[in-house]
Amino acid sequence: AQKITQTQPGMFVQEKEAVTLDCTYDTSDPSYGLFWYKQPSSGEMIFLIYQGSYDQQNATEGRYSLNFQKARKSANLVISASQLGDSAMYFCAMRPLDSNYQLIWGAGTKLIIKP
Amino acid sequence: EPEVTQTPSHQVTQMGQEVILRCVPISNHLYFYWYRQILGQKVEFLVSFYNNEISEKSEIFDDQFSVERPDGSNFTLKIRSTKLEDSAMYFCASTRLAGGGRNTQYFGPGTRLTVL
Repeated sequence: AQKITQTQPGMFVQEKEAVTLDCTYDTSDPSYGLFWYKQPSSGEMIFLIYQGSYDQQNATEGRYSLNFQKARKSANLVISASQLGDSAMYFCAMRPLDSNYQLIWGAGTKLIIKP
Repeated sequence: EPEVTQTPSHQVTQMGQEVILRCVPISNHLYFYWYRQILGQKVEFLVSFYNNEISEKSEIFDDQFSVERPDGSNFTLKIRSTKLEDSAMYFCASTRLAGGGRNTQYFGPGTRLTVL
């Protein structure tokens, strides 16, 4: 069965520091996509970054980067130079690449940036 | 930038009442989804919809739920007889292409449903 595990229920980080949010996954599909979403306290779900299982390089989007270690089945999100506005819930999600089926979601990590 | 919209932002209803949650997906998107998130819990998939029919649904999506694309722009989720445990944030999402790959699901802002 496919599963996403986020082991950090909550994190406190000082403003301007880098932060790594952990995500491990379990799948038997040969190809898959991994996604990170941000959910601020207002509730909306904001797409941040995508990594395909066959991508040769780690994905980057501005201050977000994904530390993808396929053999270890991990896809950690790295936020550089954290800002107060980064305080939110962060969800890791996965989907097989050969379908447009549902996303499989992790439980999320609540990130709080301290001034 | 195009975005998914949802109405209403908050719906309060009495147990046993019918509710219809509305979504307008991004205009050139082909796949549509409903997810829900009970407060403090993980996001749960409800249903996906393509080419005017359900392509996948979860165990949660029982006979009390239905989806419809009544015209070229709206995508609705109906709950026929709401229960207390239906209280949650309901998200609509859409994606552009058929097939998988980098087709990111873009989410609407959600409808917070409260069943009293």
